[in-house]
Amino acid sequence: DAKTTQPNSMESNEEEPVHLPCNHSTISGTDYIHWYRQLPSQGPEYVIHGLTSNVNNRMASLAIAEDRKSSTLILHRATLRDAAVYYCILRGTSGTYKYIFGTGTRLKVLA
Amino acid sequence: NAGVTQTPKFQVLKTGQSMTLQCAQDMNHEYMSWYRQDPGMGLRLIHYSVGAGITDQGEVPNGYNVSRSTTEDFPLRLLSAAPSQTSVYFCASSYDGDRSYEQYFGPGTRLTVT
Repeated sequence: DAKTTQPNSMESNEEEPVHLPCNHSTISGTDYIHWYRQLPSQGPEYVIHGLTSNVNNRMASLAIAEDRKSSTLILHRATLRDAAVYYCILRGTSGTYKYIFGTGTRLKVLA
Repeated sequence: NAGVTQTPKFQVLKTGQSMTLQCAQDMNHEYMSWYRQDPGMGLRLIHYSVGAGITDQGEVPNGYNVSRSTTEDFPLRLLSAAPSQTSVYFCASSYDGDRSYEQYFGPGTRLTVT
């Protein structure tokens, strides 16, 4: 299974944009890039996903490098409620349907 | 929709006891999975299912059994509990196993084995 690498932790000031990076140099051409986040004492929740093109939704934007070996989750205006662990996951190779989570990036938002 | 529900929320077991963690979803999702999350760690996949009657192993399947007799339910059985199985267990579901669908997670079951 292709592996992702994320920084262990990041800090951001409230109401400023946050760029969370993810490296996935062994990604295959059919792997989707998914992002989830986990708020304290809760189960993970879906944030966004994409294949090749950049994606936007109400929660965030996903910027995917042209060679697809890295991606960046963008929170446009961080709030205190965005403090969470953010996971970057590659989805689906060889039909195994496995979601493999790494250790993620712990985002701290400063008031 | 209730989404993904898990019972119980908390459980304490003695070493060697067995039990079943329940997971149900009301979204008619084909794909369901079980994860464990140890303190300060990420999630690790235990077992998953791509439809009723079909299950497969994840990263850490030893000590756990699953079955999928209906689309809605995906119980996780601990055969003989060990302290190393102390963890928070999450169940998740998605529309199917396709790469493009997101997963919905339950609130988790916090299990302590003494």
